[in-house]
Amino acid sequence: DAGVIQSPRHEVTEMGQEVTLRCKPISGHDYLFWYRQTMMRGLELLIYFNNNVPIDDSGMPEDRFSAKMPNASFSTLKIQPSEPRDSAVYFCASSPPGNIQYFGAGTRLSVL
Amino acid sequence: DAKTTQPNSMESNEEEPVHLPCNHSTISGTDYIHWYRQLPSQGPEYVIHGLTSNVNNRMASLAIAEDRKSSTLILHRATLRDAAVYYCILTAYNTDKLIFGTGTRLQVFP
Repeated sequence: DAGVIQSPRHEVTEMGQEVTLRCKPISGHDYLFWYRQTMMRGLELLIYFNNNVPIDDSGMPEDRFSAKMPNASFSTLKIQPSEPRDSAVYFCASSPPGNIQYFGAGTRLSVL
Repeated sequence: DAKTTQPNSMESNEEEPVHLPCNHSTISGTDYIHWYRQLPSQGPEYVIHGLTSNVNNRMASLAIAEDRKSSTLILHRATLRDAAVYYCILTAYNTDKLIFGTGTRLQVFP
């Protein structure tokens, strides 16, 4: 398996634009997680899904952030409108039941 | 979630053993101890986990104190590739979430 695949690897956008980050989990994994990492706040869990259903979105910072998982092999994290403080590395991870999570390489987002 | 305390940074020389400590004095009886590490410019990767007994795998060993209030991740022979931030995380048996702290930044010198 190719592991968790995230795209794009780098995204540069201007404030106010919509940003969509994509994630393909490992086949057969029931859980999908979205994290954000910054120097100030470290690695934060934003939201996670079980069998395509959002289970806990308490980490989503505000209504500008939304996440979907239309099927077992694809998820998106959308920011609309984007702001400079959203600049961070966003990681997607997937896991089978049992808590061992496998992370993607991340998307580095810069909002100018 | 129970908290963990780790040193901010540690140093080691290549090919020497490294003992990374983690304190978790408020751990509950059903909390698992997980270790992940994050190499530079990469996502975190799973290292090892355990509940009560010491655990070994190809990457490392996990030594858990008898009272479970602390644990130690042991890298038997550090390599330059082991330079990373190491996170000690407690997870309840009925939760799927990982809550990352600040971890220990390990530097390995040739």
